[in-house]
Amino acid sequence: GQNIDQPTEMTATEGAIVQINCTYQTSGFNGLFWYQQHAGEAPTFLSYNVLDGLEEKGRFSSFLSRSKGYSYLLLKELQMKDSASYLCAVRDSNYQLIWGAGTKLIIKP
Amino acid sequence: EADIYQTPRYLVIGTGKKITLECSQTMGHDKMYWYQQDPGMELHLIHYSYGVNSTEKGDLSSESTVSRIRTEHFPLTLESARPSHTSQYLCASSEEPSGSGANVLTFGAGSRLTVL
Repeated sequence: GQNIDQPTEMTATEGAIVQINCTYQTSGFNGLFWYQQHAGEAPTFLSYNVLDGLEEKGRFSSFLSRSKGYSYLLLKELQMKDSASYLCAVRDSNYQLIWGAGTKLIIKP
Repeated sequence: EADIYQTPRYLVIGTGKKITLECSQTMGHDKMYWYQQDPGMELHLIHYSYGVNSTEKGDLSSESTVSRIRTEHFPLTLESARPSHTSQYLCASSEEPSGSGANVLTFGAGSRLTVL
């Protein structure tokens, strides 16, 4: 079967750095996505990785290791508005997206 | 400013009623999707369309149906709602993969359905 694993919940302090991990087992791999979803709102796209390595976009970075079936999302200089769920999704060999259940990130002052 | 619109945002109805959740996008995207999402759970694909007159069922068994008569419009219909249909329904669209292959999804704000 196909599955995506992420921690259910994480807590971090405003101004700090947090790393959200995602491991996956899928039939084939055609890219990995991170989306942010605030409570009661729609998911919004954060990052896309298809090759191994780090992609940096402002305060957010995403890393991929295809051989390990592993990715992480790194959030720096945390702000209260970063409190949200972070969804990891992998596109499989049929170009269908397989979604993780999301990691709820709680930011404390 | 939203480019993909869902109505209604919230709906409470009784068992056995027929409902249609509307989804429209102004981006000219060929691909459209319906997902179901319960709190703390992953998104499940229930229907998708790759263009006009093209519809497919997703991974999650669903008693709903969809139609795609116009590029911009992708409504989802439940002929007879049941309490088990209570959930959040998210509509999304995407364009064909570019050279980067990202094929990013743009989501609507969602329709939260409660069936009593």
